[in-house]
Amino acid sequence: AQSVTQLGSHVSVSEGALVLLRCNYSSSVPPYLFWYVQYPNQGLQLLLKYTTGATLVKGINGFEAEFKKSETSFHLTKPSAHMSDAAEYFCAVHTGKLIFGQGTTLQVKP
Amino acid sequence: NAGVTQTPKFQVLKTGQSMTLQCAQDMNHEYMSWYRQDPGMGLRLIHYSVGAGITDQGEVPNGYNVSRSTTEDFPLRLLSAAPSQTSVYFCASKSWDTEAFFGQGTRLTVV
Repeated sequence: AQSVTQLGSHVSVSEGALVLLRCNYSSSVPPYLFWYVQYPNQGLQLLLKYTTGATLVKGINGFEAEFKKSETSFHLTKPSAHMSDAAEYFCAVHTGKLIFGQGTTLQVKP
Repeated sequence: NAGVTQTPKFQVLKTGQSMTLQCAQDMNHEYMSWYRQDPGMGLRLIHYSVGAGITDQGEVPNGYNVSRSTTEDFPLRLLSAAPSQTSVYFCASKSWDTEAFFGQGTRLTVV
């Protein structure tokens, strides 16, 4: 069965620190993988996606993620957090259907 | 090119009433889906469709019906609204190797 698990519902980092948001998936077929960000009272915005090809994917706002098939993971990273990165982040996987993880709220402390 | 058009934006229903949330896309996407978003629970898949005439249940289908008579339209019907269906609803469409495009969302309150 297809599933997505985001480890940690809340992550807090200091401004300038590394951001690491974890996502693991299960799928019986090669998945398409996505990260979205949602700011308060807004819709979802695509950060980055993996479909085929290079397993290290770069997205908007300095974020990147690496598809690791052996670990069934697609963790999101950013070298240096900004205050404006505070938001909720969703990992999603698409095989026959598109499903989302439960989300991780990123807090950035000054 | 309007993308995904979802209506209404806000709705208040009384328990037991029925209603239809409309979703239309003009990108010729095969895949469309409906989600509900509740605090701490992410986006949960209600129903999805991989093409006209084809629908399937998602994670939380009870109390909702869908149909896909055309590629463009994918309405979501609440048969008999319950307070547990108070939520924010999103419609999405995508091709297989693209990201999902979302409607603006519907904030539904059932009293």
